[in-house]
Amino acid sequence: GAGVSQTPSNKVTEKGKYVELRCDPISGHTALYWYRQSLGQGPEFLIYFQGTGAADDSGLPNDRFFAVRPEGSVSTLKIQRTERGDSAVYLCASSLTGTSYEQYFGPGTRLTVT
Amino acid sequence: GNSVTQMEGPVTLSEEAFLTINCTYTATGYPSLFWYVQYPGEGLQLLLKATKADDKGSNKGFEATYRKETTSFHLEKGSVQVSDSAVYFCALSVKGGGATNKLIFGTGTLLAVQP
Repeated sequence: GAGVSQTPSNKVTEKGKYVELRCDPISGHTALYWYRQSLGQGPEFLIYFQGTGAADDSGLPNDRFFAVRPEGSVSTLKIQRTERGDSAVYLCASSLTGTSYEQYFGPGTRLTVT
Repeated sequence: GNSVTQMEGPVTLSEEAFLTINCTYTATGYPSLFWYVQYPGEGLQLLLKATKADDKGSNKGFEATYRKETTSFHLEKGSVQVSDSAVYFCALSVKGGGATNKLIFGTGTLLAVQP
């Protein structure tokens, strides 16, 4: 079956612009996670959705970052007024439930802010 | 707080050599422990897991034992293959108030296996 998909695979934007990154989880998975991976580092947690609600957004670095999951499936990560420090690979993962151990990761979106 | 420390790479081995990648953790509560692998050009995949002390996770010839007394979860394989070349991430999760299983990752260890 289809895995987690993310679009776009690459995004180059200018400093100060707004970007949206999309995640399509595995069908039927209720839990969805966003992580950010900077060069040479492990992924860092950003936000977790259980269904439509953000159950844990403690990893969002500041109020320029926001994410939604309006119908409990596709999620969009939104970054306002991008900064060069936002350049990273943004990873999405889903799992069957919030208590499931295995998270299935997408291929990521590489964001470059010039 | 919760954190994971793993040995820095790259680790370069010849085919059929023995592999150890060290991982130690700091956690409040009772974490579950994981090894994820990222093959070149692919996404992160769960390699193995252990959910309580003394559990041994195993998959594809890799093993790791959850050692609470030393707060460690070292990854081992008796005989590596060229196809094992990848980046390996140690990770933990601790159940929070929102029942999240968010993962906390180490920095990753690049393994290069030469024929």
